[in-house]
Amino acid sequence: KAGVTQTPRYLIKTRGQQVTLSCSPISGHRSVSWYQQTPGQGLQFLFEYFSETQRNKGNFPGRFSGRQFSNSRSEMNVSTLELGDSALYLCASSFGHPGGLAGEQFFGPGTRLTVL
Amino acid sequence: GDSVTQMEGPVTLSEEAFLTINCTYTATGYPSLFWYVQYPGEGLQLLLKATKADDKGSNKGFEATYRKETTSFHLEKGSVQVSDSAVYFCALNQAGTALIFGKGTTLSVSS
Repeated sequence: KAGVTQTPRYLIKTRGQQVTLSCSPISGHRSVSWYQQTPGQGLQFLFEYFSETQRNKGNFPGRFSGRQFSNSRSEMNVSTLELGDSALYLCASSFGHPGGLAGEQFFGPGTRLTVL
Repeated sequence: GDSVTQMEGPVTLSEEAFLTINCTYTATGYPSLFWYVQYPGEGLQLLLKATKADDKGSNKGFEATYRKETTSFHLEKGSVQVSDSAVYFCALNQAGTALIFGKGTTLSVSS
């Protein structure tokens, strides 16, 4: 069974640009969560989608948005990029609602975003 | 709100040494507890979990016991290997909420 895939793996953008990251969950998984990982702040929750609906949202500005498609694939978008947005963005999938399955999430390798 | 505190790293050990990485948590209710591991250049992998007090999670020689009285979930391994070198994250969640992670502890094992 293929794992969680994220594209692209690496991305370089300049300040003010926008970026879209993609995540394909494990086949049959309906829930996708996104996390931002930085050396200073560690792993921070961005948002979670289940059956195309955003179920939870972390404490990030409105420049960060996401969506989920009917095939459970998810995208996240960051507009008006700032230097501080440089991070590893991790996607995780689970079969049901993460809270209902005691949080057993499967993570992808991440997209490394560098903002210059 | 809920939070996880784990020991700062890096932790440097020789092969076959005993490993302990401390993790304590603050939470209302009864969270589930997890240890995730991140190898260089990869995403996180679930190492073990415990869903209620006194549960012991174990995998690949690693163990952790859910201690509600001390709000702890310390990770232990009796004999580490070079291949265990990675970053280890303690995490918790409660029904309907996202995972909350500790800052991570880097383990470096030398032969």
